[in-house]
This record gives sequence, C-alpha cells and structure tokens, in this order.
Amino acid sequence: SAVISQKPSRDICQRGTSLTIQCQVDSQVTMMFWYRQQPGQSLTLIATANQGSEATYESGFVIDKFPISRPNLTFSTLTVSNMSPEDSSIYLCSALRDSGEKLFFGSGTQLSVL
Amino acid sequence: GENVEQHPSTLSVQEGDSAVIKCTYSDSASNYFPWYKQELGKRPQLIIDIRSNVGEKKDQRIAVTLNKTAKHFSLHITETQPEDSAVYFCAATLLGSASKIIFGSGTRLSIRP
Repeated sequence: SAVISQKPSRDICQRGTSLTIQCQVDSQVTMMFWYRQQPGQSLTLIATANQGSEATYESGFVIDKFPISRPNLTFSTLTVSNMSPEDSSIYLCSALRDSGEKLFFGSGTQLSVL
Repeated sequence: GENVEQHPSTLSVQEGDSAVIKCTYSDSASNYFPWYKQELGKRPQLIIDIRSNVGEKKDQRIAVTLNKTAKHFSLHITETQPEDSAVYFCAATLLGSASKIIFGSGTRLSIRP
C-alpha cells in the first residue's frame, strides 16, 4: 500500500483564520483527492487535485473556500479558508495507486474551529 | 453523477455469526467497487474490492458479490470476531474517467461476545 503522510494531524483554530494541510505520498501517483469526514458521517469528496492545473471541485465546494495545490505528482495541499465552526471536521488526503485503481488514505487532519 | 446507498446503518451480530452489508449504486457505467473498514480514530483501510467483470471475490473470511443487472453489491463477513467491529464503507467509481470514488453512508458493525 502507499504511504501517505498528512500534517498537521490535528489543530484548533480561531474563527476567520485559515489552515493549510499538507499531503505527501511516498511515490508518484495518478490522482490525488481531498475528502471531508464529519463526526459519525461518511466521506464526502471535496475535490480532485490536478497536477499543474486547477483542482476539480465537487458540488458544494468552491476554490475560494478550499484552495488546493498540486505542484507535482507526490504532493498536495488543501487550505481551509476563513474558517467557521461548521468547518470542524476530519480532512483526509487520498491517492490512487496500483494502476490508478486502489485508493489509499492519509491519516487525516482533525480540525476544530472555535 | 454516481450515488451509493448503503444498508443497514448499524449491525450487531454474535461473535462467530455472519454479517452482510448491502449497497446499491446509480450509475450503470461504474466498474469498480471497493470496501473500506474504518476503526475508531483511524483512517479508512481498503479491505477488498471487485471489478464489474467479476461476480464474486473472496479473501479469507471476507467476500464481496456484485449484481450488475440490479446494480447492487454486498460485503459478507463470516465467522465474525471482535476485531471486525468497525465502520464499513462501500464505494463505487468508473475507473479511467475522473475516477473519483463515491462512498456509501457507512455501516457500524458491532460484534457481541
């Protein structure tokens, strides 16, 4: 399986501030994604991180709120901007490996917004 | 886009008995169906997957079946053990396109000793 390092593992932030989450994969991957998992809920896809171009966002998520970068095939960042308590959640980085088929997850970032 | 429904939301079985979790998907083009297990406080882990050209796949105590006509697939866990207690998610996608994987709502499985 792929090794996906994600940091920070958790953070407590003030309303109105921004947090950038980093995701590093141990080898080149075809696709990277960012998911959100609210307490006791399923995984909701935020966006596909495209290498060298703008991310592709799912319905309900916009670039101004969740800017994403992917400068190369092994690294991506997600920024949660102008945070509110409703942004409190676990954010998970993921990557497709094994011929672009199997999806592996980072360890997640637990975000609490006060 | 794809929509995945999962049932039941909670499931409690006696240790040693079997557990079955069912999912349906909406996009008939989907061709890849993975299952994930998530223990409390941990990341989701891929436990088994199946492609649309296969009707059944087994890995020790875990098996997955797929009915393409009915657009549903199921996870079967036999001889359940306490360590099987977790939340299980089904998912579906069309590999080769955007390949974004859409998850079901999850099933919390509890194994009674």
